[in-house]
Amino acid sequence: DTGVSQNPRHKITKRGQNVTFRCDPISEHNRLYWYRQTLGQGPEFLTYFQNEAQLEKSRLLSDRFSAERPKGSFSTLEIQRTEQGDSAMYLCASSIDTGDPPLHFGNGTRLTVT
Amino acid sequence: SQQGEEDPQALSIQEGENATMNCSYKTSINNLQWYRQNSGRGLVHLILIRSNEREKHSGRLRVTLDTSKKSSSLLITASRAADTASYFCATVFSGNTGKLIFGQGTTLQVKP
Repeated sequence: DTGVSQNPRHKITKRGQNVTFRCDPISEHNRLYWYRQTLGQGPEFLTYFQNEAQLEKSRLLSDRFSAERPKGSFSTLEIQRTEQGDSAMYLCASSIDTGDPPLHFGNGTRLTVT
Repeated sequence: SQQGEEDPQALSIQEGENATMNCSYKTSINNLQWYRQNSGRGLVHLILIRSNEREKHSGRLRVTLDTSKKSSSLLITASRAADTASYFCATVFSGNTGKLIFGQGTTLQVKP
């Protein structure tokens, strides 16, 4: 168990640019989640996958955000035409899909939009 | 929007004292979980309590759940400086599987 891995750890981009983050979950975990967290707040749910199927996407998520998990393993989160309000920590988590599984989080990707 | 509200937002205590954090939520739940987050890091799962349970223990942690009041509390006994972190409650709604909704968190500082 190498844990959930997120890359990059930090990303600085200019407003209007596109960015893509990657998450590698724990290998036997079927579920993969994306959350966004701003300073002093709790993680805000963005979307989650069961294997390669995207089961739910937050209504708060604009069309500029898209997530994929093409082979049911790693996932990518893309933000198009970034805005300063997108600056946040983007957290990925994974879990098994039976019982009441805890989420295992990565250390996040911190995005700064200038 | 967030499901839970936590109280207090910030707590500062001396090493050896107990720390109590409270969480309230709005709708029926399947379970409630507590997580810890050190600055700049991801969250770490601490303990889960199901909706049909009232109290649960894990080491120095004690969690209670009152579904009639839609509230939970986390007690950390004999706190240590290493317990300094932010603590979040998170809920899974009844009838929902998988999606975990987090509260705003309590920032705990334990002074040596």
